[in-house]
Amino acid sequence: DVKVTQSSRYLVKRTGEKVFLECVQDMDHENMFWYRQDPGLGLRLIYFSYDVKMKEKGDIPEGYSVSREKKERFSLILESASTNQTSMYLCASSTSLGPGRLELFFGSGTQLSVL
Amino acid sequence: AQKITQTQPGMFVQEKEAVTLDCTYDTSDPSYGLFWYKQPSSGEMIFLIYQGSYDQQNATEGRYSLNFQKARKSANLVISASQLGDSAMYFCAMREWGGRRALTFGSGTRLQVQP
Repeated sequence: DVKVTQSSRYLVKRTGEKVFLECVQDMDHENMFWYRQDPGLGLRLIYFSYDVKMKEKGDIPEGYSVSREKKERFSLILESASTNQTSMYLCASSTSLGPGRLELFFGSGTQLSVL
Repeated sequence: AQKITQTQPGMFVQEKEAVTLDCTYDTSDPSYGLFWYKQPSSGEMIFLIYQGSYDQQNATEGRYSLNFQKARKSANLVISASQLGDSAMYFCAMREWGGRRALTFGSGTRLQVQP
């Protein structure tokens, strides 16, 4: 089974702190993603990566950065956490299954509270 | 612009009845894929079903079927014979083949199955 592991299930941070959310996948997937999930807004794409050291901005990249130094690991960084970044963060990975089809495998999520 | 629209924030259905969850999408790309995911209260995201824009037949996976109406740009999920375990959030998502290598999600529908 594909496993996508997020380092923390719950995290509480202070405003202004630098926050690292870690994600590791064990299936040699080339694509990795960070989404945030908020009630009524669904999942919104923050950043994604299709190869080591490659990254692309998603729909809401402001206030976030990412790092992918190894294929299996994709980190989300909040440079200076703010209260509006309180959210559920979901990491996912996928391989391409032919034209158009991506089957995403998700981690269990990190509920981040910024106080 | 929002590309995936789920207009039903919440739905109720009686056990053993069928239910349709609505999803409309917007794209100018003739080639795209449509996905449905289930998120139970545990938080995990479970892939349910996929429909490609060129697929001639509606996709089916067990009790799940996708009512794909291309001209209307709708991709409704039909769950037959609802079970208590179907109570969850359901997300519709899309990927444009000519676009980025990531899924765009809708805001979700919370389904509650009543005994």
